[in-house]
Amino acid sequence: KAGVTQTPRYLIKTRGQQVTLSCSPISGHRSVSWYQQTPGQGLQFLFEYFSETQRNKGNFPGRFSGRQFSNSRSEMNVSTLELGDSALYLCASRPGLAGADTQYFGPGTRLTVL
Amino acid sequence: AQSVTQLGSHVSVSEGALVLLRCNYSSSVPPYLFWYVQYPNQGLQLLLKYTSAATLVKGINGFEAEFKKSETSFHLTKPSAHMSDAAEYFCAVSDEAAGNKLTFGGGTRVLVKP
Repeated sequence: KAGVTQTPRYLIKTRGQQVTLSCSPISGHRSVSWYQQTPGQGLQFLFEYFSETQRNKGNFPGRFSGRQFSNSRSEMNVSTLELGDSALYLCASRPGLAGADTQYFGPGTRLTVL
Repeated sequence: AQSVTQLGSHVSVSEGALVLLRCNYSSSVPPYLFWYVQYPNQGLQLLLKYTSAATLVKGINGFEAEFKKSETSFHLTKPSAHMSDAAEYFCAVSDEAAGNKLTFGGGTRVLVKP
């Protein structure tokens, strides 16, 4: 089975721009979560989608948004980019919403904001 | 609210020596606990997880962890370190009270000396 894929792998943007990141989950997985990883704040949960509905949300400003399509693929969007948004954005998929379900991570998209 | 503390942001071990990475958690309900490993420029890979079955959990690459409820700990060990174990390790907790999202510790970077 193919793993979680994320595109693009690297992005460079300037302040004020917006960006869209894409995630394709493992086949059959219906849940997709997004995490932000920075040296200062570590790994932080952004949001989780299941069956095209946002099921859980972390403590991030409204500039961060996401969506999920009927094929379970997900996108996240960051508007009005700030320097502090530079990070590795990780997507993870799992079969459902059970706590015991393993989340499988993609390789990440490294976003640099200049 | 759930939280995870990893003692020691950096650990240095000699090849062949015991690897011990400490993780303490806080959770208001029975938790699910995970250890992930991250190699440079990659996503997170699951090493092992505790889901309320056996308290001693065996994972990949010779790693194991023991769940101790009385100590709220889930320390990761490997009897004999290998050069390929050099990576960053993350402990994570999820529980139903938090919507089963993953909350990560700050990570421990392991250096293996020849």
